[in-house]
Amino acid sequence: GQQVMQIPQYQHVQEGEDFTTYCNSSTTLSNIQWYKQRPGGHPVFLIQLVKSGEVKKQKRLTFQFGEAKKNSSLHITATQTTDVGTYFCAGQGAAGNKLTFGGGTRVLVKP
Amino acid sequence: DSGVTQTPKHLITATGQRVTLRCSPRSGDLSVYWYQQSLDQGLQFLIQYYNGEERAKGNILERFSAQQFPDLHSELNLSSLELGDSALYFCASSVVPGGTEAFFGQGTRLTVV
Repeated sequence: GQQVMQIPQYQHVQEGEDFTTYCNSSTTLSNIQWYKQRPGGHPVFLIQLVKSGEVKKQKRLTFQFGEAKKNSSLHITATQTTDVGTYFCAGQGAAGNKLTFGGGTRVLVKP
Repeated sequence: DSGVTQTPKHLITATGQRVTLRCSPRSGDLSVYWYQQSLDQGLQFLIQYYNGEERAKGNILERFSAQQFPDLHSELNLSSLELGDSALYFCASSVVPGGTEAFFGQGTRLTVV
């Protein structure tokens, strides 16, 4: 079945630094979504990527979908303490299939 | 507020018991997903419904079952509970099954003692 893997599992970042989290699917995806879960909270949708090679930006966050539509990345610049949380990617196969989540990258920010 | 309502928020029960978790999706959303999140773990997909019909199944144990009712609310039934079933259970909803964002409820924290 479809598997989605994320690395790294944990990311300790100094405030102000940049970091990237990566997401890889075992199968080609129709779309990939990114969610953020704050400590003690629930996952909240950030963005969806659909097209091969697509790049989208949200302020300090840059999301990219690979050319083969099997991988994605999230790059955060100038990390802030508000970026603390777990970032999940979630891949969807053929339209209507289940949304499979990666294991998440837990981000801890050192002030 | 995501618009997805889950009840109860917390549940403590003994091993061997049966519980029912309830989810009301966002108004207008036809698809409901259930996920299990164990401590510090990822989101394990359990099952998905669309307009009352089962759409996709994940790693859902045989002791677990779910359904979506005509009014689109969904229930997840967990029976013969074991200590390892202690987890946060999330319900999410979306307009249609694919290609749209999912809105998550606050979750039900189940503790089996």
